[in-house]
Amino acid sequence: QQQVKQSPQSLIVQKGGISIINCAYENTAFDYFPWYQQFPGKGPALLIAIRPDVSEKKEGRFTISFNKSAKQFSLHIMDSQPGDSATYFCAASGYSGAGSYQLTFGKGTKLSVIP
Amino acid sequence: DTEVTQTPKHLVMGMTNKKSLKCEQHMGHRAMYWYKQKAKKPPELMFVYSYEKLSINESVPSRFSPECPNSSLLNLHLHALQPEDSALYLCASSQIADRARAFFGQGTRLTVV
Repeated sequence: QQQVKQSPQSLIVQKGGISIINCAYENTAFDYFPWYQQFPGKGPALLIAIRPDVSEKKEGRFTISFNKSAKQFSLHIMDSQPGDSATYFCAASGYSGAGSYQLTFGKGTKLSVIP
Repeated sequence: DTEVTQTPKHLVMGMTNKKSLKCEQHMGHRAMYWYKQKAKKPPELMFVYSYEKLSINESVPSRFSPECPNSSLLNLHLHALQPEDSALYLCASSQIADRARAFFGQGTRLTVV
């Protein structure tokens, strides 16, 4: 079974600090790795994504680091702000047959940024 | 327009009721998805439509019946649900060639009583 393992389950960071969330995958057929941010009562929103031929991608305060050999990737949030408090899901995308692709989600990390 | 619009936002239904959830997008996406999300859990894929044809059914009970009338609309028909089906139901869409860049709607919070 395809799996994406995410840690930690919850994270408390002081305002201005760095938040780090880690994910590991097993299936080497995964070919795209997005991160989603979800606020309570809302649907997930795509935050940033990376392909496995790139080791790092940065967008503003958000950076994905990707280690293909270790099959791990992580999200770094620099200068964390209270408005970043949300649940973050890593995911992996892969071909699931019949011309379709499927997103496999990690279990999520609830981030709380305290003032 | 980068929105996926879901209606209704909230729905309470009895176990003998029939109801439908609706989803609409105007981004030209030809892949559309239904997900179910329980509290503090990740979204679980239910159905995938590619070019208006059902391509994935993740062993979902027949009391959930999806329909894709055209490339912009996706429905989920509900009948004889159980209380454990109460959840947030999310619709998403993506380009076929950029499937990981999925846009999610805000969801329908369903309560079965």
